[in-house]
Amino acid sequence: DSGVTQTPKHLITATGQRVTLRCSPRSGDLSVYWYQQSLDQGLQFLIQYYNGEERAKGNILERFSAQQFPDLHSELNLSSLELGDSALYFCASSEDLVPTGELFFGEGSRLTVL
Amino acid sequence: GDSVTQMEGPVTLSEEAFLTINCTYTATGYPSLFWYVQYPGEGLQLLLKATKADDKGSNKGFEATYRKETTSFHLEKGSVQVSDSAVYFCALGNTNAGKSTFGDGTTLTVKP
Repeated sequence: DSGVTQTPKHLITATGQRVTLRCSPRSGDLSVYWYQQSLDQGLQFLIQYYNGEERAKGNILERFSAQQFPDLHSELNLSSLELGDSALYFCASSEDLVPTGELFFGEGSRLTVL
Repeated sequence: GDSVTQMEGPVTLSEEAFLTINCTYTATGYPSLFWYVQYPGEGLQLLLKATKADDKGSNKGFEATYRKETTSFHLEKGSVQVSDSAVYFCALGNTNAGKSTFGDGTTLTVKP
């Protein structure tokens, strides 16, 4: 058990819809990262938050947004969903701002868009 | 930008065979290097890491050495077991880039 909790574990929705994925980081970790894992593109970094502020951005689509709340949990919002958004979305957390230490991953949220 | 290239899979080995999964990287500065493992139905977990050139990370019989001259961090294990079947990800964490970068993953299947 990594200590990182993600909900929901599975989600099935239709194209054009909006979903919210939630992540609770490991106790004491201030950094939260979101990754997308799809079959044809491996593990893609989406975005990082540190103590409530956005710190790094990767290949995140404009239809996607995220935030980190004062209690340090984070939410990833995916809107106007397309078939290609079907993937496993991972949240990871770490103690530090800089990414030179270990990342602790949740078990992921599997999104299926029909 | 930073990039990680790892050996394409899938890799299928017999139990007790020798394993090598190649990983090379491109990065500015002095990144930390990691191998993560993902077992079926689970999230990624750290397998081993190295933070500077010539460091050797090791865990559960797996080893990898940080080679700056060849920009490589190849994963090795002398004798694999069925329980090692998983997806292995090479990754780097770079302060300069402000993020971690992962390779595409290599699926290992070990047959009894």
